[in-house]
Amino acid sequence: EVQLVESGGGLVQPGGSLRLSCAASGFTFSKYAMAWVRQSPGKGLEWVSTIGVRGDSTSYADSVKGRFTISRDNSVDTLYLQMSSLGAEDTALYYCSKAPYSASWPHGDYWGQGTLVTVSS
Amino acid sequence: EIVLTQSPATMSLSPGERATLSCRASQSVSNYLAWYQQKPGQAPRLLIYDASNRAAGIPARFSGSGSGTDFILTISSLEPEDFAVYYCQQRSNWITFGQGTRLEIK
Repeated sequence: EVQLVESGGGLVQPGGSLRLSCAASGFTFSKYAMAWVRQSPGKGLEWVSTIGVRGDSTSYADSVKGRFTISRDNSVDTLYLQMSSLGAEDTALYYCSKAPYSASWPHGDYWGQGTLVTVSS
Repeated sequence: EIVLTQSPATMSLSPGERATLSCRASQSVSNYLAWYQQKPGQAPRLLIYDASNRAAGIPARFSGSGSGTDFILTISSLEPEDFAVYYCQQRSNWITFGQGTRLEIK
């Protein structure tokens, strides 16, 4: 059974940093592209970032480019999102999501339950 | 950025009725469109990908159609568990989501 378990969320002050993790199991993690998608409280979904299987191919939404870094460690089946210069607009539930194949993340066939990031003083 | 506009914002129907949800793109996305279902407190669930392909385990009452800029998600006969929020998502030019359609019980 595919499982994606996010962690690392919490309350952080404006301008602060946080690193999110997503532990994957139930599939060969190293063979699939992955993504982070966020959802602000009561709002819709927003794509944040995507990473290819080897970690050398990444893309970011304009809203986070230069502040967030996606990475992965295939030896421990874990996806990461390093977030810095956080602002109130980054407050959201952050989901990690698995792609259906290796080349890219065209859509998410599996999703975690999310980890909540709250940016507030 | 490709903007996806979903309509209606809210739809009120009864179990057994047919639901037709619309997603319109600001420019052509070919058939690179997916649909998700999200229930309160849950993660999104993939229903349809590439406009008309049902994801694994999705009941046959869910179907998708369209290409270019206009897409439809149809639920042929609503079951009680189908009342949720539905999102469309395109992958033609980066990735964007629609704002969602809330399907509520009448």
